[in-house]
Amino acid sequence: DAKTTQPNSMESNEEEPVHLPCNHSTISGTDYIHWYRQLPSQGPEYVIHGLTSNVNNRMASLAIAEDRKSSTLILHRATLRDAAVYYCILRPNTGKLIFGQGTTLQVKP
Amino acid sequence: ETGVTQTPRHLVMGMTNKKSLKCEQHLGHNAMYWYKQSAKKPLELMFVYNFKEQTENNSVPSRFSPECPNSSHLFLHLHTLQPEDSALYLCASSGDRGLEAFFGQGTRLTVV
Repeated sequence: DAKTTQPNSMESNEEEPVHLPCNHSTISGTDYIHWYRQLPSQGPEYVIHGLTSNVNNRMASLAIAEDRKSSTLILHRATLRDAAVYYCILRPNTGKLIFGQGTTLQVKP
Repeated sequence: ETGVTQTPRHLVMGMTNKKSLKCEQHLGHNAMYWYKQSAKKPLELMFVYNFKEQTENNSVPSRFSPECPNSSHLFLHLHTLQPEDSALYLCASSGDRGLEAFFGQGTRLTVV
């Protein structure tokens, strides 16, 4: 299973943009890049995913490098409710999701 | 509400008990998963089912026994557990790998 590397933790101020990086240098051509987040005492929640092109949805944007070896999750205006662990995951042909340590995002008021 | 429902939400059991965790989804997904999350650790994938067939068992001890009677239901049968099995057990379902997976709220299991 291809691995991802994320910073252990990041801090942001409320209402400012947040850029969460992820490196995945061993990504294969058929791996989708998925992002999930987990709020305290809850199950993970889907955020966004992509294959090659940048993606936008109501929660966030996903910027994928041209060589696909890295990606960035962008929260345009962080709120206190965005404080969570964010997981960057490569989803292969088997479809399974393997979680790493993720990035713990703290949002300061 | 994610469309994936897990029951019970909390469970306390003794080491000699037998209990079952239940997961249900009516999202039309063909794949279902069990994960274990111990305190301050990442989620560990335990079992994967595709179209009711088990396709992955990540070296899970036999005291955990999964069952998938149909594409909408997944069970995890528990017997003679150890205190170190106390954790949050999460169920998830998904369609094609190009689509998102949905997780339940989890069952918080405490083995005493």
